[in-house]
Amino acid sequence: DAGITQSPRHKVTETGTPVTLRCHQTENHRYMYWYRQDPGHGLRLIHYSYGVKDTDKGEVSDGYSVSRSKTEDFLLTLESATSSQTSVYFCAISEGRKNTGELFFGEGSRLTVL
Amino acid sequence: DAKTTQPNSMESNEEEPVHLPCNHSTISGTDYIHWYRQLPSQGPEYVIHGLTSNVNNRMASLAIAEDRKSSTLILHRATLRDAAVYYCILIGGGTSYGKLTFGQGTILTVHP
Repeated sequence: DAGITQSPRHKVTETGTPVTLRCHQTENHRYMYWYRQDPGHGLRLIHYSYGVKDTDKGEVSDGYSVSRSKTEDFLLTLESATSSQTSVYFCAISEGRKNTGELFFGEGSRLTVL
Repeated sequence: DAKTTQPNSMESNEEEPVHLPCNHSTISGTDYIHWYRQLPSQGPEYVIHGLTSNVNNRMASLAIAEDRKSSTLILHRATLRDAAVYYCILIGGGTSYGKLTFGQGTILTVHP
C-alpha cells in the first residue's frame, strides 16, 4: 500500500471554526491532491499541488486553502467551516503528471460541521 | 473535459463474470481510459487503464471498443470483495491529474 496518512480521520466542529486536515506521504511523490466526496457528486477536486509551494485550484476550491511547505505534507484548511463543508475528504498522490500512472488515495477524513 | 456515462448500479452473483460498461462518446485521441473502484469506507483504488488496445492485469481486464467511444471493465470471477463503486474516467494526454473529476460511478452488488 502507498504510504499516505490522513489526520484526523474523524472530526466534528462548529460553524465558523477553522479546521486543518493533514495529508502525509512517505512515497516522495511530486503531486498531491485534495478531493471531497458527497452523495450524488462522486469525488470532486478541491486543490492540488505539483511541488513544494506550488498549488492550484480545482473544481470546488471556494472556502478552502492549501499549503505545502514540504514534499511529504499537504495541508487543507477551512478558514471558517460551514455546514456545506460537511463531507469526506480524500488526499491522493501521484508520481508524475502523466496520465499513464496511478493515483493513490488515503483512507479519508470525515468532517462534520454543526 | 470529456465525460463518461455509467449505469448507476449493477448486480452479479459470486464467481460469475461481470461486465461494467462505460460510454465516452466525446473521447479525444489522447485520452486514456482509467478505472478506479471504491470499497465501503475506503479511498478509491486503481484498477486498470488503457488507450486503444485491450488490457489485462491481476485485478481485471479492460476491453476498449475499436472507435474508443465505449469500454468495458471485466471482472472474470466476481467475489464478495469486489462489491464496490466503480469509476470510469478519462485523462487527457499531458493533463495533470489535478484536472481530474470522478463521476458518480456504478455501484456493483455481488450476491453469494
